[in-house]
Amino acid sequence: DIVMTQSPLALPVTPGEPASISCRSSQSLLHSSGFHYLDWYVQKPGQSPQLLFYLGSTRASGVPDRFSASDSATDFTLTISRVEAEDVGVYYCMQALQSPLTFGGGTRVEIK
Amino acid sequence: QVQLVQSGTEVKKPGASVMLSCKASGYPFSHYGITWVRQAPGQGLEWMGWISIYKGDTKYSKKFQGRVTMTADTSTGTAYMDMRSLRSDDTATYFCARVVATGGYWFDPWGQGTLVIVSS
Repeated sequence: DIVMTQSPLALPVTPGEPASISCRSSQSLLHSSGFHYLDWYVQKPGQSPQLLFYLGSTRASGVPDRFSASDSATDFTLTISRVEAEDVGVYYCMQALQSPLTFGGGTRVEIK
Repeated sequence: QVQLVQSGTEVKKPGASVMLSCKASGYPFSHYGITWVRQAPGQGLEWMGWISIYKGDTKYSKKFQGRVTMTADTSTGTAYMDMRSLRSDDTATYFCARVVATGGYWFDPWGQGTLVIVSS
């Protein structure tokens, strides 16, 4: 199984400051199509997860442009340029290249 | 709007079975798959498997193979997951989500979740 490792586990951030979350896969997520099969989700308190990015760095509909994602073979980064209070939640990466699909352990973003 | 509405909380005894439902609306049901993901209390997300509604094909995580069956009723736009031989560590919230498979796979949107409690 592909192992997904996220860091940090928790990320306290001051509103207006940037935040970055790292996600590493135990093997390349590059598909023959040229895309990385890596998605990002956020689970806000008391809610279901919601899609942020797919195919490594494609922003989902309705996601604010203060969110960005970068991708390489095994290293992926989610960045929030200026954190807002509504961004609090647990962020998960997920690889969709190989069954079983696997999630990272999650990074909890909290406001200082 | 695209929406998935899941069935309500279930309380089961160890060894029992449970069937969860996930009713889709706002999109052509047969054009997308449905996946199931669970979350134990205070824990992360765990993928269980998915079903291609159009083909009826299923793929399960090996962890759940033989204990889980995913089906769909195209006449009502509802997906189901049947889980057998429940154990206490199956206590979790179970989410369904629409699978978008366009040159990759992603889950959007997700249902509100169904809490399954397994306790004697």
